[in-house]
Amino acid sequence: NAGVTQTPKFRVLKTGQSMTLLCAQDMNHEYMYWYRQDPGMGLRLIHYSVGEGTTAKGEVPDGYNVSRLKKQNFLLGLESAAPSQTSVYFCASRSGGEQFFGPGTRLTVL
Amino acid sequence: KNEVEQSPQNLTAQEGEFITINCSYSVGISALHWLQQHPGGGIVSLFMLSSGKKKHGRLIATINIQEKHSSLHITASHPRDSAVYICAVPPYSGGGADGLTFGKGTHLIIQP
Repeated sequence: NAGVTQTPKFRVLKTGQSMTLLCAQDMNHEYMYWYRQDPGMGLRLIHYSVGEGTTAKGEVPDGYNVSRLKKQNFLLGLESAAPSQTSVYFCASRSGGEQFFGPGTRLTVL
Repeated sequence: KNEVEQSPQNLTAQEGEFITINCSYSVGISALHWLQQHPGGGIVSLFMLSSGKKKHGRLIATINIQEKHSSLHITASHPRDSAVYICAVPPYSGGGADGLTFGKGTHLIIQP
């Protein structure tokens, strides 16, 4: 099992550009999450999904959209990137309470 | 919404020392998580506990539900234990289907 994978690992965007981060899990988990991690702050929840076709807002959802068309994939989109979205993004999936994290995507918005 | 406080924020110790990291939270929960983040950035789950104590190798986690407090201990610390240790709880009382609320982490350095 690959566990939780994220694509890409690194990305540099210019302000106003758009992009999609892909999270994939092969553990058949229902719950999936997108977090961002910024220096001096704990991880913060952006959006989450409790099953295929469902999404919900987390603590910091503004500027992001998500989709869960297939159970194994959870996509995070930035429609018009801003420098404030420079961060490390982690995806996670959940089984029985324990969360399994992807390796992270380091995004820089210039 | 749950608030999580960890202490200390930074800790430097000598190899072999006994390490304690503390976590306090504000809202009653069903389970608390301890996570480890290595310098490369990856995050792994160490413990999920709802009562008492759990042990895995040299790591021990305890929780006091009444006092809303948990501790992570490392016995016979080693330089490879150097990492950021993060405490996390559900944002509201309940199982945490709606994600976790995280502490800011404790940056641990073990010197040889």
